[in-house]
Amino acid sequence: IAGITQAPTSQILAAGRRMTLRCTQDMRHNAMYWYRQDLGLGLRLIHYSNTAGTTGKGEVPDGYSVSRANTDDFPLTLASAVPSQTSVYFCASSREPYNEQFFGPGTRLTVL
Amino acid sequence: DAKTTQPPSMDCAEGRAANLPCNHSTISGNEYVYWYRQIHSQGPQYIIHGLKNNETNEMASLIITEDRKSSTLILPHATLRDTAVYYCIVRLTGGGNKLTFGTGTQLKVEL
Repeated sequence: IAGITQAPTSQILAAGRRMTLRCTQDMRHNAMYWYRQDLGLGLRLIHYSNTAGTTGKGEVPDGYSVSRANTDDFPLTLASAVPSQTSVYFCASSREPYNEQFFGPGTRLTVL
Repeated sequence: DAKTTQPPSMDCAEGRAANLPCNHSTISGNEYVYWYRQIHSQGPQYIIHGLKNNETNEMASLIITEDRKSSTLILPHATLRDTAVYYCIVRLTGGGNKLTFGTGTQLKVEL
């Protein structure tokens, strides 16, 4: 089934540990995005990639890094997790940067 | 991107039309109106978008006023599965990667 998948579904992580959230899409979309969603703050863009090989910073990039080695995958890495990174993380993709975005099911991350 | 204003919550009877309003009085000429929804614990789902003309797809209709300062999303026959938070987003086309999600409207469809 075509779409966008994320892994893991949920994770509990000790502070200071490194963690990579995975995102894969099979729609051959050029653009991909990472958002976090926190109660009362809505969805906020962390990083984005307009095409394979390029990335850009969103509104809350600190503490996160991304890579876009190919069209399908867009992993999000927390180098040293902190409790304030406890959130639900959504990956999204769009055919081009200005097109409608399609979202994955999310990863619920808890940092203790 | 222009700011949007939506009512925090609405109720609708199953089978009836749900009309969700959005004000975007500062919208500029090249900004589109997008609608997304988020069902509890799921990722946001794209519904529809438009510039100035009314639009319809298999999910909903979008009515944009002539001055473009407001719009209405219409779910013609709401079902219980349409219970969700609905977000109205105004966005430049061709520029900007960010979707600015406000607080949206919590639509509750009841029997």
